[in-house]
Amino acid sequence: GAGVSQSPSNKVTEKGKDVELRCDPISGHTALYWYRQSLGQGLEFLIYFQGNSAPDKSGLPSDRFSAERTGGSVSTLTIQRTQQEDSAVYLCASSLSTSGSGEQFFGPGTRLTVL
Amino acid sequence: RKEVEQDPGPFNVPEGATVAFNCTYSNSASQSFFWYRQDCRKEPKLLMSVYSSGNEDGRFTAQLNRASQYISLLIRDSKLSDSATYLCVVNDPSGSARQLTFGSGTQLTVLP
Repeated sequence: GAGVSQSPSNKVTEKGKDVELRCDPISGHTALYWYRQSLGQGLEFLIYFQGNSAPDKSGLPSDRFSAERTGGSVSTLTIQRTQQEDSAVYLCASSLSTSGSGEQFFGPGTRLTVL
Repeated sequence: RKEVEQDPGPFNVPEGATVAFNCTYSNSASQSFFWYRQDCRKEPKLLMSVYSSGNEDGRFTAQLNRASQYISLLIRDSKLSDSATYLCVVNDPSGSARQLTFGSGTQLTVLP
């Protein structure tokens, strides 16, 4: 079956521009996560959606970052006024688990480069 | 102290060697533990869950020591295809909705 998909796979942008990253989770998965991973680093949690509950935004690094999940499915991560330190791979994951402790299935990521 | 700490690596081992990775976690209330594998420039994928009594999956053995808050992964008869970064993952029961915390990973290279 289809896994988690993300688009675009690569994004190069200029400092100060806004970018939108998209995630299509596995159908039926109620939990959706966004992480970012800088080169050679671990995963940094950004935001978590679970069903219709209010998202956990505790990992967003600044107010330039926002995310939404429409209809409990597709999610968009928006970064406004991008900075060079925003360059990283942005990974989306979804999970069937409602407790949040089950297996997470990751998409291939979006590699963001801010010039 | 980081919530999940791993051996920094890198580990470079010859084919056929046995290699072990360690991981410690800070929250004694954590209940779920996993090892994920991440190939170079790829997304992480679940390798195996870690159960209280320890568990094996082929050449891979995972152990949990709750008293010491310590998890290990043992790879026997290592193959070239085992080369990857291994991420220790622990659930976060603190009430935060971000239920899984990922370690920064241990890099393994299996040499011919």
